[in-house]
Amino acid sequence: DAGITQSPRHKVTETGTPVTLRCHQTENHRYMYWYRQDPGHGLRLIHYSYGVKDTDKGEVSDGYSVSRSKTEDFLLTLESATSSQTSVYFCAISESGNRYNQPQHFGDGTRLSIL
Amino acid sequence: QKEVEQNSGPLSVPEGAIASLNCTYSDRVSQSFFWYRQYSGKSPELIMSIYSNGDKEDGRFTAQLNKASQYVSLLIRDSQPSDSATYLCAVLIQGAQKLVFGQGTRLTINP
Repeated sequence: DAGITQSPRHKVTETGTPVTLRCHQTENHRYMYWYRQDPGHGLRLIHYSYGVKDTDKGEVSDGYSVSRSKTEDFLLTLESATSSQTSVYFCAISESGNRYNQPQHFGDGTRLSIL
Repeated sequence: QKEVEQNSGPLSVPEGAIASLNCTYSDRVSQSFFWYRQYSGKSPELIMSIYSNGDKEDGRFTAQLNKASQYVSLLIRDSQPSDSATYLCAVLIQGAQKLVFGQGTRLTINP
C-alpha cells in the first residue's frame, strides 16, 4: 500500500471555524492531490501540487486553500467552513503526475462534518 | 455532456458470472485510463490501468479500451461476493494535469 496518512480521520466542527486537513506521504512522490467525494457528484479535484510550493486549482477550489512546504506534506485549509463543505476528503499521490501516465493512489480519507 | 460517464447501477450479478462495467469519455486525446474499486466507507483502490487499444488481463479482471469509440470497460470473471463494491472509471485529461472520475457503478454479486 502507498504510504499515505491523512489526519484527522474524522472531524466535526461549526460553521465559520477554520479547518486544516493534513496529508503525509512517505513515497517521495512529486504530485499530491486533494479531492472531495459527495453523493451524486463523485470524486472532484479541489487542488493539486506538482512540487514544493507549486500548487494549482482544481474544479471545486472556491473556499479552499492549500500549502506544500515539504515534499511529504500537503495541507488543505478551509478558512471559514460552511455546511456545503461537509464531505469526505481524499488525498492522493502520484509519482510523476500525468506526464508518464502514472496512476494516483489514495489515502484513507477524512470525514468532515460542519454543523 | 459529462467528461466521463458510467451507469450508476446498481448492477446485480450472480456469483460465478461475468460482471461487465462500462465507461465512456468525451476527450478524444485521452491516453490513460484507470479502474478503481471502492468499498463502502473506504478509499478508492487502483485495480487496472490501460493505455493502448485492446484488452489487458490481470487475474479475473480484464480491461478493454476502444479509443475510436471512446469507450473503456472492465470485465470481472467468476464474480465473487467480495467483488461487491463501487467501481470508478478515471480518465487522464491530456495536458490538464488532472484525472476525471465517473460517478461510479455500484456492483452487487449475489451468492
